[in-house]
Amino acid sequence: DIQMTQSPSSLSASVGDRVTITCRASQSITTFINWYQQTPGKAPKLLIHAASNLQTGVPSRFSGSGSGTDFTLTISSLQAEDFASYYCQQSYNNPKTFGQGTRVEIK
Amino acid sequence: EVQLVESGGGLVQPGGSLRLSCEASGFTYSGSWMSWVRQAPGKGLEWVANIKEDGSDKNYVDSVKGRFTISRDNAKNSVYLQMNSLRAEDTAVYYCARDHWANSQMFDYWGQGTLVTVSS
Repeated sequence: DIQMTQSPSSLSASVGDRVTITCRASQSITTFINWYQQTPGKAPKLLIHAASNLQTGVPSRFSGSGSGTDFTLTISSLQAEDFASYYCQQSYNNPKTFGQGTRVEIK
Repeated sequence: EVQLVESGGGLVQPGGSLRLSCEASGFTYSGSWMSWVRQAPGKGLEWVANIKEDGSDKNYVDSVKGRFTISRDNAKNSVYLQMNSLRAEDTAVYYCARDHWANSQMFDYWGQGTLVTVSS
């Protein structure tokens, strides 16, 4: 199985900050990675698919990059509604696996 | 409006069984792969199983193989997860999600989840 390792596990940031979350795959997954946002008590929401494609309706402050084994999710200017947990997910093969998550908290 | 509505969760004893249901609307359900994804309390996401549009192909994570069965009824726009021989480690919120392919795979629609608690 492909292991997805996210870092950091949590971070504290202020509104307006630039935030970067990284995800490393245990083998090359080309660009087969998605990013999700989850707020407490809610279902995950797709943000980015295929490494860098913004899902319809997602604000442009979110962006994704990377290929091979190393990937990044960036929030260019953190907003109040962005305080949540974020997960990467590889779609290269089965079983589809997720990173352990990154919690973004208010500083 | 896209909706995925899960039901069937609850409290069950170890070794017991439970059947989850998910009813879909607002998209072409019969043309979509569907998945179940679970989340243990305070933990991350784990993909559990998926099923092809016509039910002819199914895949499972190793930890549930032989115990869980995914199925679907396209006439009822529904997908199911039959869970047998339940263990404490199966305790989680179970989400159904559309397993969509558009140049790459993604879970683009999600239900609100149903909680399964395995405890004596």
